[in-house]
Amino acid sequence: DTEVTQTPKHLVMGMTNKKSLKCEQHMGHRAMYWYKQKAKKPPELMFVYSYEKLSINESVPSRFSPECPNSSLLNLHLHALQPEDSALYLCASSQGSYYYGYTFGSGTRLTVV
Amino acid sequence: AQTVTQSQPEMSVQEAETVTLSCTYDTSESDYYLFWYKQPPSRQMILVIRQEAYKQQNATENRFSVNFQKAAKSFSLKISDSQLGDAAMYFCAYRSAVDGGFKTIFGAGTRLFVKA
Repeated sequence: DTEVTQTPKHLVMGMTNKKSLKCEQHMGHRAMYWYKQKAKKPPELMFVYSYEKLSINESVPSRFSPECPNSSLLNLHLHALQPEDSALYLCASSQGSYYYGYTFGSGTRLTVV
Repeated sequence: AQTVTQSQPEMSVQEAETVTLSCTYDTSESDYYLFWYKQPPSRQMILVIRQEAYKQQNATENRFSVNFQKAAKSFSLKISDSQLGDAAMYFCAYRSAVDGGFKTIFGAGTRLFVKA
């Protein structure tokens, strides 16, 4: 299995809703990432979960919270989002070595209404 | 801080021709890795090619090759025998080997159009 699986593929939520994005990989990668990508822009790092340690991009608002139940799963919990949070959310994973780059999922297209 | 610059927002190439996408970066580090990622309209980003900074030899992967000029901090991607399936957004990326190496910096991207 050489994939990163993200669910759902599309999500529409209201500003008062609570929802979660799910990311799963079975490649034995020890690092997983959440990226946010606006249209025609490069991905922006939100969170890194590596070897049971969470690293946060300090510019990410607290209405986004990551959770890593185990080394194969990475969730992103969403609460009280704003319309400007509408974007493509990409999950990625990587092996321990820097050389291998990232394996990306196909993303969740999030629309906040 | 490191930066990655892709100066060509869009490029166009005729099918079967060769095209070169430019990328420059700025860093004071000596140990790092460079990547090109492809993002087609299907939106999944795919690793195309990678280069270790300590290697002078340019990386190649089938029709894809890079021209890595470390002193000039340049890392261009050459696509030979372009195919319709090469049409995508291409991102150049820099990954530091310090601080755990978990932060990858992406360029703004180059949209490649392939004409039949």
